[in-house]
Amino acid sequence: KQEVTQIPAALSVPEGENLVLNCSFTDSAIYNLQWFRQDPGKGLTSLLLIQSSQREQTSGRLNASLDKSSGRSTLYIAASQPGDSATYLCAVNAAGNKLTFGGGTRVLVKP
Amino acid sequence: ETGVTQTPRHLVMGMTNKKSLKCEQHLGHNAMYWYKQSAKKPLELMFVYSLEERVENNSVPSRFSPECPNSSHLFLHLHTLQPEDSALYLCASSQGTGVNQPQHFGDGTRLSIL
Repeated sequence: KQEVTQIPAALSVPEGENLVLNCSFTDSAIYNLQWFRQDPGKGLTSLLLIQSSQREQTSGRLNASLDKSSGRSTLYIAASQPGDSATYLCAVNAAGNKLTFGGGTRVLVKP
Repeated sequence: ETGVTQTPRHLVMGMTNKKSLKCEQHLGHNAMYWYKQSAKKPLELMFVYSLEERVENNSVPSRFSPECPNSSHLFLHLHTLQPEDSALYLCASSQGTGVNQPQHFGDGTRLSIL
């Protein structure tokens, strides 16, 4: 059974620092991996989707890498801003568009 | 505005009540999902509907009963719930169940069981 783990569970940084969020998964037989953002009391917003054949994906200040063989992905957020404060979730997609989620990393960026 | 609307946003109910959660999507999608997000567990998939047929029931207790009357609407009927069922229930939709079809999420219903 696929298990997804996110470390750390919470992270607090001063504004301007780069953020590094980690995600690991136990079964490398995945089609893709997604990073989502969740604000308090809200649903999920998709940030990046990396196909299993890709090594990384970039969108603005966000960069996600994928090492499928070692079961790891990292989300980098450059020059963090207070508006980046949220919970970040990673999810792997093995089949049938059924996502398995990690527990999330709660991020606080202090002004 | 994600195109997926969930009502009510908050619900408090006793263990013997019957209530329903509603999800409506305005994106023209044909697949819909129910997820449960508890305080101490990762977000879990509960049910998947594709073209109004249930294609996944992820070992969910029978006190949760989904209904998909058409491709735009999804319900979750609740009865005789337990305190551990208190959670945020999220609905999502996608254009098909292919692995590269992004899922669009609603803002959820926060359910509290007394």
